[in-house]
Amino acid sequence: EDKVVQSPLSLVVHEGDTVTLNCSYEVTNFRSLLWYKQEKKAPTFLFMLTSSGIEKKSGRLSSILDKKELFSILNITATQTGDSAVYLCAVLDTGRRALTFGSGTRLQVQP
Amino acid sequence: SAVISQKPSRDICQRGTSLTIQCQVDSQVTMMFWYRQQPGQSLTLIATANQGSEATYESGFVIDKFPISRPNLTFSTLTVSNMSPEDSSIYLCSVDHVSTDTQYFGPGTRLTVL
Repeated sequence: EDKVVQSPLSLVVHEGDTVTLNCSYEVTNFRSLLWYKQEKKAPTFLFMLTSSGIEKKSGRLSSILDKKELFSILNITATQTGDSAVYLCAVLDTGRRALTFGSGTRLQVQP
Repeated sequence: SAVISQKPSRDICQRGTSLTIQCQVDSQVTMMFWYRQQPGQSLTLIATANQGSEATYESGFVIDKFPISRPNLTFSTLTVSNMSPEDSSIYLCSVDHVSTDTQYFGPGTRLTVL
């Protein structure tokens, strides 16, 4: 059974801080790892990672995958209050083509 | 990315009734999925909606409780039947872009069962 574990479960930081969110996984037939941001109802897509060691970057957010150690990190630099959300990590299994989600990390950025 | 709409956005329903949620995509997609997110929890896959055939349900979810239709490549419905307060959740449809290995989510339906 595919499994995704995220840490920490919650995090409170101040504006300007840098945060690192962790995601470890076990999956039978790994295809890709995805990061989403969820503020209200719908998760919005951030990154899709398939190869080890290649950093994906979008503004202040970046992510990298380690397929040997089976984990990924999501970094947010110079955090802003608008970054407050739940960040979800999910893995895509080639066979099922459905996502298995972690429990999420709830990030709160205080002014 | 695909543009996905869901109806209704939210609803409050009485115990024992049923609600049908619609998911519409602006382009033809191969795979459509239905997820549930219970309060304070992460997303759990209910089923894969297959075009032209019966949906594929995950362990713990059955067709009698969550019937799904997918009449074409751009539309699907999920019905939550004989509702109880435990069905209070956000229900989300998603579509899979096989060429990019990325899934995009609809805006979600927040269901409250009294």
